[in-house]
Parts: sequence; C-alpha cells; structure tokens
Amino acid sequence: QVQLVQSGAEVKKPGASVKVSCKASGYTFNVYGVSWVRQAPGQGLEWMGWISGKNGNTNYAERVQDRVTMTTDTSTSTAYMELRSLRSDDTATYYCARVNGDYGGGWFDPWGQGTLVTVSS
Amino acid sequence: SFVLTQPPSVSVAPGKTASITCGGTNIGSKSVHWYQQRPGQAPVLVIYYDSDRPSGIPERFSGSNSGNTATLTISRVEAGDEADYSCQVWDSSTDHWVFGGGTKLTVL
Repeated sequence: QVQLVQSGAEVKKPGASVKVSCKASGYTFNVYGVSWVRQAPGQGLEWMGWISGKNGNTNYAERVQDRVTMTTDTSTSTAYMELRSLRSDDTATYYCARVNGDYGGGWFDPWGQGTLVTVSS
Repeated sequence: SFVLTQPPSVSVAPGKTASITCGGTNIGSKSVHWYQQRPGQAPVLVIYYDSDRPSGIPERFSGSNSGNTATLTISRVEAGDEADYSCQVWDSSTDHWVFGGGTKLTVL
C-alpha cells in the first residue's frame, strides 16, 4: 500500500537546523510531488511547501521560504525538509504528504505519521 | 492571500447530521478538499474535488461547494467521527495551498 514513513522526533536549540526525512513506498516516487505541512501545538495545519518528485522543482510558503530547503533522493524514494535558524515558534509536528491530481489544486493523500520538532534552549 | 474561514467547533448528537462550513470569497470557483484528524493522529483525506470520496471513506461523508461556502456533511454521526476537520484549496493568486483553521466536531 502507499505509505510515507517519517524520521523520528527531534529536539533542537534556537538557531540550529533540523532535517526531516519522508520515505515513500508503494508507488512510483517520481510521478508525484510531496508537500510538507506543519502543525503547532493546538493549532491548525500550515502548508510549508511542495517539491516535485519528477524534477525537484520547489514552491515554498512565504513565511518559511528564507529558511527552508526541500529536496528528494529518487534513488531511495525519500523526500527531505530542512529548516534552518530554528525559533521557538517552529515547535510543531511536521508532516509530509503525497500530492495527487493537478499540481495547482491537488489533494494530499496519504500523509506521513508526523515528526515532532521541539525547539527549546 | 486567500482566507478560509471555519467555525471553531460544531456539536452534534449521535445519529444526527453534522454540517461543517468553509467560507471564502467565491470559493465555489475552486476545488475544495477536506481532512479528518483524530487526536494524536495524522490527517486523513475524506473528500476531494468538493464532493468525491476516497475509497474506504463511508458514504455518510459528503461535500458540496457553491458561492462563498463549501460544506462537509456527515450523516448518521457516530462517536468515532469526533475529530478536527480542515478544508483546503489552491490559491491561484499565490500558487500556494491554503488550509482553513479547522473545526472540532464534538459528538454529544
């Protein structure tokens, strides 16, 4: 079955970087894009960006575009999200999700299990 | 950027029908997707392209979209439907996806 498995929880100090992985299985990785979404404790879903599984093209949300880099490794069907210069308000659960349908309007399914990133001094 | 407005909470008795709205300017011209998120779990797609159901989602879940409001309707509500529900659209003016703030569905 189609599945996305993410790396484990991280604890980082302010100013550090974190890199979360998302390993895909059950489908042809380079046919679909992957989006990253985060959720701060008790808050709603926030879209962070998208990366093409075909050619690595990216599209980032303005709020994080200066600090985020999304990449893929097609040899291992894995997507990565790196966030730099971490702040306390980056504390959140980070999800990856496969993007289905049209790039401009597609839906997210399935989602990874989530990775909790805690930023604390 | 495009703003999606959802009520923070909706309550419904078991067996009744719950309606969760998602408001946005002329949202009827966009494709709306809906996600269910139970506590401590990742979101799950329940409706895509306004009213299509993924395989495995009960027929009790349906969606509609017209004018300035999209609606997720859950018929014959069960205790297991208690969760947060979020709507999503593509904002063509920014080329970004946008989520609503989420609605907590409480089954009384």
